[in-house]
Amino acid sequence: SQQGEEDPQALSIQEGENATMNCSYKTSINNLQWYRQNSGRGLVHLILIRSNEREKHSGRLRVTLDTSKKSSSLLITASRAADTASYFCATSKTGGTSGSARQLTFGSGTQLTVLP
Amino acid sequence: NAGVTQTPKFQVLKTGQSMTLQCAQDMNHEYMSWYRQDPGMGLRLIHYSVGAGITDQGEVPNGYNVSRSTTEDFPLRLLSAAPSQTSVYFCASSSPRGRGYGYTFGSGTRLTVV
Repeated sequence: SQQGEEDPQALSIQEGENATMNCSYKTSINNLQWYRQNSGRGLVHLILIRSNEREKHSGRLRVTLDTSKKSSSLLITASRAADTASYFCATSKTGGTSGSARQLTFGSGTQLTVLP
Repeated sequence: NAGVTQTPKFQVLKTGQSMTLQCAQDMNHEYMSWYRQDPGMGLRLIHYSVGAGITDQGEVPNGYNVSRSTTEDFPLRLLSAAPSQTSVYFCASSSPRGRGYGYTFGSGTRLTVV
């Protein structure tokens, strides 16, 4: 079953605009991660936010986490055509053995298109 | 280049055939996982390993076997391919020693079962 669900499923913006994607999940987590996937390629790890963190920045990326609402958002500022990709949130759960807990559960992704 | 290497990149199988998808990493990562990705869906965990000699089932393990005899390699075996196993398969690795715990993914194997 999918732990995370991204919203929207698809997003189209103009270059230079900001893009916001949301992720909701169902169970308690240890951390939440965002990945990017370019068409036909593997996933690339973007950023990780732990359950005791509320906000994290990395370059043009800003991630927030609200554990009370079981939701996260990914903001990409000043978007570029090269940001066109699918973006996935993935959660690492609490509990269980450390090995099983480290396994990720992915959402279905947001397809971002940045128009030049 | 350091990373996760998957072979082959593309494969067509007939129903009932068997094959092994190869995965190797050179980062000395303890954790390795296999996922499948179907159209319009996220990745679903098939099997994972937390170290050499240790494997466990994920969300969708039926029809797949794994073994982990070395830290570097984590092959995925399809014993009797079925059309429902048509998918893109990704191998990933991670280390619990790093601060990030982010996974490094291979470029995928696109499998078609006819």
